[in-house]
Amino acid sequence: DAKTTQPPSMDCAEGRAANLPCNHSTISGNEYVYWYRQIHSQGPQYIIHGLKNNETNEMASLIITEDRKSSTLILPHATLRDTAVYYCIVSYQLIWGAGTKLIIKP
Amino acid sequence: GAVVSQHPSWVICKSGTSVKIECRSLDFQATTMFWYRQFPKQSLMLMATSNEGSKATYEQGVEKDKFLINHASLTLSTLTVTSAHPEDSSFYICSAKSGMVTGELFFGEGSRLTVL
Repeated sequence: DAKTTQPPSMDCAEGRAANLPCNHSTISGNEYVYWYRQIHSQGPQYIIHGLKNNETNEMASLIITEDRKSSTLILPHATLRDTAVYYCIVSYQLIWGAGTKLIIKP
Repeated sequence: GAVVSQHPSWVICKSGTSVKIECRSLDFQATTMFWYRQFPKQSLMLMATSNEGSKATYEQGVEKDKFLINHASLTLSTLTVTSAHPEDSSFYICSAKSGMVTGELFFGEGSRLTVL
């Protein structure tokens, strides 16, 4: 099962787009990429998921490279409430990495 | 969207006692539920996978006799921490998915267990 790697932390200015990268070079053809975030002491919150095509919903956009070995989560207009740990995982094996701690600064 | 509810959200117990945590899917039938444990400043660790009507599948290193999981209905799974000790203090989180293979996973709010 695929594992993911993410930068441990990122900063972003409020109102700017936050781009969070994720590498999943061993992903198999039928595995989906999922993004969740966790605000301190709460359960993870679903953000978005995709297989091959780019996806967009009310929260974010997901850009998946053509070879599917990496993806980027885009929060188009980050707010202070977007400060959280963001996790990129694949399929339902659900091996959770350390995630990226995103800090939105005013 | 679908909601998964956990109860209790926090619990304090004495060492040696047992604690039961409930995980309910409120508006969908969850064929599979997952239980995780999260220690401070660490990521989620999958403990077990629970399928309705069958025995749970435990991850390596998780004691099945200590962490009893019951998934008696399509909307309820329970995790019982038996003979709890201080090292069992953690944040326990459940998640559930419907029968859809590509569907999203829905998470409960988490239950914080403190064993004195």
